[in-house]
Amino acid sequence: SQTIHQWPATLVQPVGSPLSLECTVEGTSNPNLYWYRQAAGRGLQLLFYSVGIGQISSEVPQNLSASRPQDRQFILSSKKLLLSDSGFYLCAWLTGTDTQYFGPGTRLTVL
Amino acid sequence: AQSVTQLGSHVSVSEGALVLLRCNYSSSVPPYLFWYVQYPNQGLQLLLKYTSAATLVKGINGFEAEFKKSETSFHLTKPSAHMSDAAEYFCAVSGLRGAQKLVFGQGTRLTINP
Repeated sequence: SQTIHQWPATLVQPVGSPLSLECTVEGTSNPNLYWYRQAAGRGLQLLFYSVGIGQISSEVPQNLSASRPQDRQFILSSKKLLLSDSGFYLCAWLTGTDTQYFGPGTRLTVL
Repeated sequence: AQSVTQLGSHVSVSEGALVLLRCNYSSSVPPYLFWYVQYPNQGLQLLLKYTSAATLVKGINGFEAEFKKSETSFHLTKPSAHMSDAAEYFCAVSGLRGAQKLVFGQGTRLTINP
């Protein structure tokens, strides 16, 4: 069966520090992958999606970037974090039945 | 462009009462529609989805939703609320092709009173 992992589960970082969040999927190959952010009072917002290795689409201009170095790995990064980057980051993958399944999420607090 | 509106950011019902969470969508093409549930500090769990096979969709935990094209609605219901249903619920829409990005409503927090 397929599973999706996110690492780390929680993270507290100072403003201006770098960021790397990792998402990995097991049990499938070449899935569409997605990064969402859930910020207080702002609902769930799609940040990036990827349809294959090295293929990244950005949905909103921001301080973040994404990469897909391997088929089942999706990484969210920042060179310098802002206070506004705080939130709950969710990774998802698209199944063959057109359904997105979500990982457990990473809680990021920028101080 | 697709959009989703969830009416009521907070809904409170008594244990054993009917749960009704409202969702209206806007889409220029026949959409896929989803309901997800989120428990505190967890990811989203799929409750059910509509993909045009049947207008009444049954999901997990006793929930169901009815797709009404004329009303552009996809309301979520459960006949009898349980304390464990307390969570945040999200309605979402996606297109049928391409990247199939999800557009979410703002969410409805469901509280169950004993």
